[in-house]
Amino acid sequence: DVKVTQSSRYLVKRTGEKVFLECVQDMDHENMFWYRQDPGLGLRLIYFSYDVKMKEKGDIPEGYSVSREKKERFSLILESASTNQTSMYLCASSFIQDSGNTIYFGEGSWLTVV
Amino acid sequence: GQQVMQIPQYQHVQEGEDFTTYCNSSTTLSNIQWYKQRPGGHPVFLIQLVKSGEVKKQKRLTFQFGEAKKNSSLHITATQTTDVGTYFCAGPENAGNMLTFGGGTRLMVKP
Repeated sequence: DVKVTQSSRYLVKRTGEKVFLECVQDMDHENMFWYRQDPGLGLRLIYFSYDVKMKEKGDIPEGYSVSREKKERFSLILESASTNQTSMYLCASSFIQDSGNTIYFGEGSWLTVV
Repeated sequence: GQQVMQIPQYQHVQEGEDFTTYCNSSTTLSNIQWYKQRPGGHPVFLIQLVKSGEVKKQKRLTFQFGEAKKNSSLHITATQTTDVGTYFCAGPENAGNMLTFGGGTRLMVKP
C-alpha cells in the first residue's frame, strides 16, 4: 500500500514563527503536492513538484515555499506564519499513469496559528 | 483555467435513501477520479473513469462518465451511515500533472 506520511498531525504556532511541514512518501512517486483545505473552500493547491528540486506554484502559493531535495520528501515552509494560515494541510503524491494521475493523500496536518 | 463544479454542496438523506452527486468540468477531461473523505480524515481514492460513457460499480456505488467526457456522477443506492463524508471529483488539467478538484459534496445520513 502507498504510504504518505506527514510528520505532524497537530501543531500550534505563534504569529511570525517559521513553520516546517514535512511529508514523506514510500512509493517512488515523481509527483508530490501540498494542498490546504478550509471549510467551504474545498482543496486548494499550494505547490507541487514533479521531480527533485523542481517546483511549480499552485493556486495559492503566497506566504508559502517548498523544498524537494530528495524524491521521497516534500516540505512546506511558512516563512512567517499568520493567523489566516490556520488550516488543514494535506500532502499528496502520485505517479503518472498513461491516462492520468491517481493521488494518494497523507493524513493531514492541522495547523493553528495564534 | 479549468473549472470543476460539483452539486449539491451538501445533502442530508435518511438512511436507506439514494444519493447522487454531480460533477461538471468546463473542459473535456481525459479521465475523472472520485475521492471520499470521512469526517476528520483525508481524501481516499475511490475510482477512475477513462472512457466516454463509462459506468463502473463498487457495491452500492455507481460511477458514470458522460459521453462528452465533461461530466460525471456518483450514485449511492440505499445509503448507510458508513457513507457519511465528502465526495470529491477531480480531473487532470490539460492531461498534465495537476488534478483540479471539485468543491465536494458533503453527505450526511440520518439513522
